[in-house]
Amino acid sequence: EVQLVESGGGLVKPGGSLRLSCAASGFTLNTYSMSWVRQAPGKGLEWVSSISSSSSHIYYADSVKGRFTISRDNAKNSLYLQMNSLRAEDTAVYYCARDSPRPYDYWGQGTLVTVSS
Amino acid sequence: DIVMTQTPLSSPVTLGQPASISCRSSQSLVHTNGNTYLSWLQQRPGQPPRLLIYEISNRFSGVPDRFSGSGAGTDFTLKISRVEAEDVGVYYCMQATQFPWTFGQGTKVEIK
Repeated sequence: EVQLVESGGGLVKPGGSLRLSCAASGFTLNTYSMSWVRQAPGKGLEWVSSISSSSSHIYYADSVKGRFTISRDNAKNSLYLQMNSLRAEDTAVYYCARDSPRPYDYWGQGTLVTVSS
Repeated sequence: DIVMTQTPLSSPVTLGQPASISCRSSQSLVHTNGNTYLSWLQQRPGQPPRLLIYEISNRFSGVPDRFSGSGAGTDFTLKISRVEAEDVGVYYCMQATQFPWTFGQGTKVEIK
């Protein structure tokens, strides 16, 4: 059974940092591209970042470019999102999702990031 | 970026009756490989999104056959043939033809 489990969310002050993790099971991570998608409270879905299976292609939304870094450790079957210089508008539930073979075919339960003083 | 526009944004439906959601893209979603990467996602209250339909009309694993997708080019539709209580939630269309992948605003389906 494919499972994605996010962790690392929490309350952080503006300007602070957090590192999110996504542990994959039920499939071998190293053959799939992966993404982070976020959802602000009461709002819709927003793509944040994507990484190819070999990490050779990495993409970011303009809203997080220069502040967030996506990475993966295929040996640990894990995906990461390092978030620096956090702002109030980054407050959201962050989901990891598998990009293939069907776009966003599996999602984790999400981890809540709250940026507030 | 491709803009996805859904209508209606809210859809009160009677149990057992059909529901329909439209999605329009700001440009054609036909990929250079000939495929059209238009998907529909369901998000039940308090749950993560779940893939329902991919490539316009293909139901994902475990999705009931009361859900169907249709359309082409820039205009797409999700239909629920007979709404059940478990169908309450927000439905999103999304495109994966051109990076960045983008989502519609979401359509809230609720029971009258």
